Amino acid sequence: GAVVSQHPSRVICKSGTSVKIECRSLDFQATTMFWYRQFPKQSLMLMATSNEGSKATYEQGVEKDKFLINHASLTLSTLTVTSAHPEDSSFYICSARDQTTYEQYFGPGTRLTVT
Amino acid sequence: GENVEQHPSTLSVQEGDSAVIKCTYSDSASNYFPWYKQELGKRPQLIIDIRSNVGEKKDQRIAVTLNKTAKHFSLHITETQPEDSAVYFCAASIWYGNKLVFGAGTILRVKS
Repeated sequence: GAVVSQHPSRVICKSGTSVKIECRSLDFQATTMFWYRQFPKQSLMLMATSNEGSKATYEQGVEKDKFLINHASLTLSTLTVTSAHPEDSSFYICSARDQTTYEQYFGPGTRLTVT
Repeated sequence: GENVEQHPSTLSVQEGDSAVIKCTYSDSASNYFPWYKQELGKRPQLIIDIRSNVGEKKDQRIAVTLNKTAKHFSLHITETQPEDSAVYFCAASIWYGNKLVFGAGTILRVKS
């Protein structure tokens, strides 16, 4: 089946620093990728829709200047958490939509801990 | 926007019994309803989905039913096994491949 990878799988950073998370579709092209955040024992909340070659569409309440999304190629989207704070600590999961089949595939997630 | 409610939040069943999880959605335009299983620290895995042009779909021990009029859909797991223990999420989307709105999740525990 189709594979989506995320890097890093876990990261610990200090408050005030920025962290970049990569989401890659390994064997298919994805013009659209979705970024979700999941707090412990909670559901997945959509943060933004990432579109290749254009600006991301952010959900209401998500700060676009804090969560920078870049979708520069058909296989890679990045999420940068800028000026991270402890409350940004969460599990960040991407999903990539196969542009041919429209099926979505989730990445394995990135555990971010801000100290 | 779409809102998906899921019940119960936790469900404990004896091995071999059936488990039923229910979801309701608010947007009548939604027409794609997947169910995901998530184990601790792992990615959600699609276990079954249904589109609005059918009322029921079955895959071995798992089935999903959809009532478009009432705007609710349910997951049915029969002959539960300990390895079915996980968190289950329902979701809704206005079309296949579009962004998903997830329910709050159900922790299923299958006791052996």
